[in-house]
Amino acid sequence: GAGVSQSPSNKVTEKGKDVELRCDPISGHTALYWYRQRLGQGLEFLIYFQGNSAPDKSGLPSDRFSAERTGESVSTLTIQRTQQEDSAVYLCASSPRGGSNQPQHFGDGTRLSIL
Amino acid sequence: QKEVEQDPGPLSVPEGAIVSLNCTYSNSAFQYFMWYRQYSRKGPELLMYTYSSGNKEDGRFTAQVDKSSKYISLFIRDSQPSDSATYLCAMSATSGTYKYIFGTGTRLKVLA
Repeated sequence: GAGVSQSPSNKVTEKGKDVELRCDPISGHTALYWYRQRLGQGLEFLIYFQGNSAPDKSGLPSDRFSAERTGESVSTLTIQRTQQEDSAVYLCASSPRGGSNQPQHFGDGTRLSIL
Repeated sequence: QKEVEQDPGPLSVPEGAIVSLNCTYSNSAFQYFMWYRQYSRKGPELLMYTYSSGNKEDGRFTAQVDKSSKYISLFIRDSQPSDSATYLCAMSATSGTYKYIFGTGTRLKVLA
């Protein structure tokens, strides 16, 4: 079946521009997660959605970062006024429900480069 | 000290070797332990998922958890060049949370 899909796969933009990253989770998965992966580093948790609500936004690095989810499906991560330190791979994952006993399945990520 | 420590490698082994990949952790509340494989420019792919202590085997892969030592391992038997990837460990506490804590990953290269 279809896995987690992310678009675009690559994004190059100039410093100061806004970017939107999209995630289509596995159908029926109510839990959705965004992570950031910097080169040579582990995955950094950004935000967790259960349905369309985000009970945990604690990982968002600054108020330039926001995310939403609609229809208990597609999620968009928006970064405003991008900075060079935002360059990273942004990964989305989904699981059937929230909880540690629900393995998370990842998309291939969006590779974001800020010039 | 990081909650989860993982040797970054790279680890190079000849084809057919047994590979041992390891993570240590400090949080005794961790109960769920995962191993992911990540190929270059791809997302992490779930390999093994275990709960609490013990061993779990799936084909050429064996996951081992020693909670008393706060140490987990992934063994790969008869390693193949196609196993060349970065291996990430991840762990989480009780079922009341959803947060995974990831290691930084170990790069593995299996030489033909």
